[in-house]
Parts: sequence; structure tokens; C-alpha cells
Amino acid sequence: EAGVAQSPRYKIIEKRQSVAFWCNPISGHATLYWYQQILGQGPKLLIQFQNNGVVDDSQLPKDRFSAERLKGVDSTLKIQPAKLEDSAVYLCASSFSGSQETQYFGPGTRLLVL
Amino acid sequence: GQQVMQIPQYQHVQEGEDFTTYCNSSTTLSNIQWYKQRPGGHPVFLIQLVKSGEVKKQKRLTFQFGEAKKNSSLHITATQTTDVGTYFCAGMDSNYQLIWGAGTKLIIKP
Repeated sequence: EAGVAQSPRYKIIEKRQSVAFWCNPISGHATLYWYQQILGQGPKLLIQFQNNGVVDDSQLPKDRFSAERLKGVDSTLKIQPAKLEDSAVYLCASSFSGSQETQYFGPGTRLLVL
Repeated sequence: GQQVMQIPQYQHVQEGEDFTTYCNSSTTLSNIQWYKQRPGGHPVFLIQLVKSGEVKKQKRLTFQFGEAKKNSSLHITATQTTDVGTYFCAGMDSNYQLIWGAGTKLIIKP
């Protein structure tokens, strides 16, 4: 079974630029999560989708971050414009049908904002 | 907001010594999950505890869920170099939101 795929693996941008990350969850998983993990900290949930609907985006900085999962499969997370403090690893995870189930994480995208 | 406190932040052990990390929540949890993140890697699910007072073992790892379902612990017996990484607990609240601890980093002294 293929795992969660993410791209790119690394990205370096200058502040005020835009960046987008892509995630393809495990086939058949209805729930998709985007996390931000700053070095030395635990993952922070940014947004949770159930199929193509948003379940929780309470910690998403909506003035600069946006995410979509239009067809209920893969998802993109965008930052526009980026700030220095956005430097982090962006992890995508999926679970079969809800957050009470095991989450499977992708390898993450390491973002450095200069 | 609701928090899950995890201690210690770091633990240095000699290979062969034991390791323990603790998580505490201010409110009752529906369940608690444990994940391991190797250096440079992503979190990998280890186990989920659901019942009050539950104890589960995986080889040298012992996981406990408190009677009040507000605390949990992970104990590793006789650590090995393959155990190196950061161990996270994540507690599920009554709204089915997963609240992550800050993690405990296990460091093996050379």
C-alpha cells in the first residue's frame, strides 16, 4: 500500500513570496490533515478535511494560508505571502474515516523562508 | 485552550538504561495516541489507548492510560540506539480533536 505522498520535499523562498505544497493521501482515506511542525515542537494542526469539506481550520492563519481538497482526494496548501516565521516542516497526514483513527504521515515539506 | 503537557522535554540515557515520558491533560480524554519521530523523519503511529487504566506492551515499550483518562506514560526498558527519536503523545478531546504534546526527545549518550 502506497503511503502519503508530498511534494516538494524541500523549498527555499524569500519572505513575501508565495509557495504551494501538494499532498496525496493513502487511497481510500477520507480524512486529510495539514500540520505545521516548527523545529523542536510538536505538530500543530492547520486544517482537517473530511472528503472535500473542512472539519477544523481554527488554527489556520487565514490571512496568508489557504488549503483546498476540491475532489476529496489530493490537497494543496498555499502560503501567500510567506513570513520568516513560516519556516517549518509542513506535514500531511491521512486517516481512514476520522481523527479517532490512526493518522499516517507523509515525509513532509521542509520550508525555509529567508 | 485545552493542552496536553508532556515531560520531560529531553532525556539523556546510557544505552541499556530505561526511559519514561509522561503526558498530562487538564480534561478527560477519549483516547490517547503515541507516535515516534526519528531525527529528520515524520511521526509514525505506535499505539492507541482507549480504556481507563489500560496497559499495552510492544516488546520493550509499555504504554499506560490513567484511571481518570487524563494522563499517560510510555516506558522503554533497556534502551537501544534504534529507540532514538522524539516520542509524542496526542490526546483526543470530547470534540474529536487531537491535541499533541510537545514531545520528549530520547538521546542516547555515547
